Amino acid sequence: QVQLQESGPGLVKPSETLSLNCTVSGGSMTGYYWNWIRQTPGKGLEWIGYIYYNGETNYNPSLESRVTISLDTSTNQFSLKVRSVTAADTAVYYCARKRWQQMGYFDNWGQGAQATVSS
Amino acid sequence: NFMLTQPHSVSESPGKTVTISCTRTTGSIDTNYVQWYRQRPGSAPTIVIFEDKQRPSGVPDRFSGSIDSSANSASLTISGLKTEDEADYFCQSYDGSLYVFGSGTRVTVL
Repeated sequence: QVQLQESGPGLVKPSETLSLNCTVSGGSMTGYYWNWIRQTPGKGLEWIGYIYYNGETNYNPSLESRVTISLDTSTNQFSLKVRSVTAADTAVYYCARKRWQQMGYFDNWGQGAQATVSS
Repeated sequence: NFMLTQPHSVSESPGKTVTISCTRTTGSIDTNYVQWYRQRPGSAPTIVIFEDKQRPSGVPDRFSGSIDSSANSASLTISGLKTEDEADYFCQSYDGSLYVFGSGTRVTVL
């Protein structure tokens, strides 16, 4: 049973960089798309981007200029960095797995990590 | 990019049927598959319908999905409503470069 777990600082200052990690346990990262999705009360669920197991990335155009997703298959982790954060980046951040790009669904999610942007 | 519009909330009594709509604002609803996720308070979303009308194993057949091309919308129907169905429900689709989620519908079981 694959499990995903987010980790990272819960509080980030405005204009700094938000960094989160997702640890994948109980399975391989090979053959999957590894995603970051965030949720706010105001905007609901927002897909941030993914990294494929081969390193290919794809980002939401609305965030692309500030976001980087990277992968370390040796440690079964992938990470998210959001630069120049503002209060609008305050959200619960989820990591999630997907088998196919166009078909299928996000079949495994982490429990979510609250990230708050505040001075 | 398109948006997926859902009603803010629906409510119904136990045993009854509710249907949640998900309307695509631009482009055809038929272009890409629609998924439906259920989210209970404090938990991550979980899948209830994928690829328009498919149910993952473990999801009861009280849950069904459909597409109405004339209305450019997808629908999730929950029949035989139970108190455990009370949750937020989100539709989700793909436009070739990014994944889009609906605004979410709160289902209340009276």
